[in-house]
Amino acid sequence: DAKTTQPNSMESNEEEPVHLPCNHSTISGTDYIHWYRQLPSQGPEYVIHGLTSNVNNRMASLAIAEDRKSSTLILHRATLRDAAVYYCILRDAGNKLVFGAGTILRVKS
Amino acid sequence: DSGVTQTPKHLITATGQRVTLRCSPRSGDLSVYWYQQSLDQGLQFLIQYYNGEERAKGNILERFSAQQFPDLHSELNLSSLELGDSALYFCASSTWTGNYNEQFFGPGTRLTVL
Repeated sequence: DAKTTQPNSMESNEEEPVHLPCNHSTISGTDYIHWYRQLPSQGPEYVIHGLTSNVNNRMASLAIAEDRKSSTLILHRATLRDAAVYYCILRDAGNKLVFGAGTILRVKS
Repeated sequence: DSGVTQTPKHLITATGQRVTLRCSPRSGDLSVYWYQQSLDQGLQFLIQYYNGEERAKGNILERFSAQQFPDLHSELNLSSLELGDSALYFCASSTWTGNYNEQFFGPGTRLTVL
């Protein structure tokens, strides 16, 4: 399974944008980039995924570097409810999700 | 609410015992996954079933087994329990199988082995 590297923690102010980086230098051509988050005392929650092009949905945007060796999850306006552990995951042809340690996002009011 | 249900929410048992965790996937989802989350190991994939058949296996101990029934619900059986099996167990489901499908997670079952 290809590996990802994320900062251990980040802090943001409420109502401001947050950019969560992820490095995946060993990504292969067929790996999808997935982001999940886990709010306190809850199961993981799907956020967004992409292959090559940038993606937007109601929760976030995913910006993928041209060489695909890094990506950034963008929360456009962080709220207190966005405080969670964010996981960047590469999915190959296998079906499982391989979770790393993720990034703990703290949001200050 | 992801649409995935898990029972029970909490389970307290003793070492050496056997327990069964149950998962009902979202309506229409054919694939079920089991994950274990412990403080020292993080979130780890255990096993996947697709339409009743085992599809992938992860770090699942021989003392653990799972199955998916014709109505697509799944059960994870944990036997000869040890203190180290105390963890959160999550079930997830997805429509199909493949690396582009999102997985929807249930609220988890917290297992405490005393």
